[in-house]
Amino acid sequence: GEDVEQSLFLSVREGDSSVINCTYTDSSSTYLYWYKQEPGAGLQLLTYIFSNMDMKQDQRLTVLLNKKDKHLSLRIADTQTGDSAIYFCAENGSGGGADGLTFGKGTHLIIQP
Amino acid sequence: DSGVTQTPKHLITATGQRVTLRCSPRSGDLSVYWYQQSLDQGLQFLIQYYNGEERAKGNILERFSAQQFPDLHSELNLSSLELGDSALYFCASSTRDGYEQYFGPGTRLTVT
Repeated sequence: GEDVEQSLFLSVREGDSSVINCTYTDSSSTYLYWYKQEPGAGLQLLTYIFSNMDMKQDQRLTVLLNKKDKHLSLRIADTQTGDSAIYFCAENGSGGGADGLTFGKGTHLIIQP
Repeated sequence: DSGVTQTPKHLITATGQRVTLRCSPRSGDLSVYWYQQSLDQGLQFLIQYYNGEERAKGNILERFSAQQFPDLHSELNLSSLELGDSALYFCASSTRDGYEQYFGPGTRLTVT
């Protein structure tokens, strides 16, 4: 079945770049997503990329997609303490938006001063 | 603020009971999705409704059901509750194509 894998923790220094990685198995996914969850809050849609794109940039966020290797990454430039959160990778599978999203377990981003 | 609202924020109930969680989608969104977030299973898609009709089912237990009303709000009904049903339940809404799903703040259910 579909599976999305992420490492559980990432620790970076404030001001450095953070790179969060994700692998997925469903090659028919048309969109891949990054969501952010802060403690006690819901999921915030950060960005998403269409499967025929290699890269998408949005201010401090850069998404890279390697469709051949089914690898997605999220780079956060100039990481700040406010970026401390859990980051979820998700894919929409072959049903477009119809079947719900499949999420990874999330990567806890820890910012060191 | 995503524009998706969920009530109640917290719910504490006993095993065997039944509860109803409510969700109002963003203005103009026709699709509503329900997800469960637990420590062991992570985030799992439960069910989707589009304009009042069930459109897709995920890992939803038979004890759980949902519906979407003519005003597009949705309710998730959980019955014969077990300890393992304790989790955060999220609602999300999207426009017709479903490519952007916006999540509500969630309802935290505790079954004792």
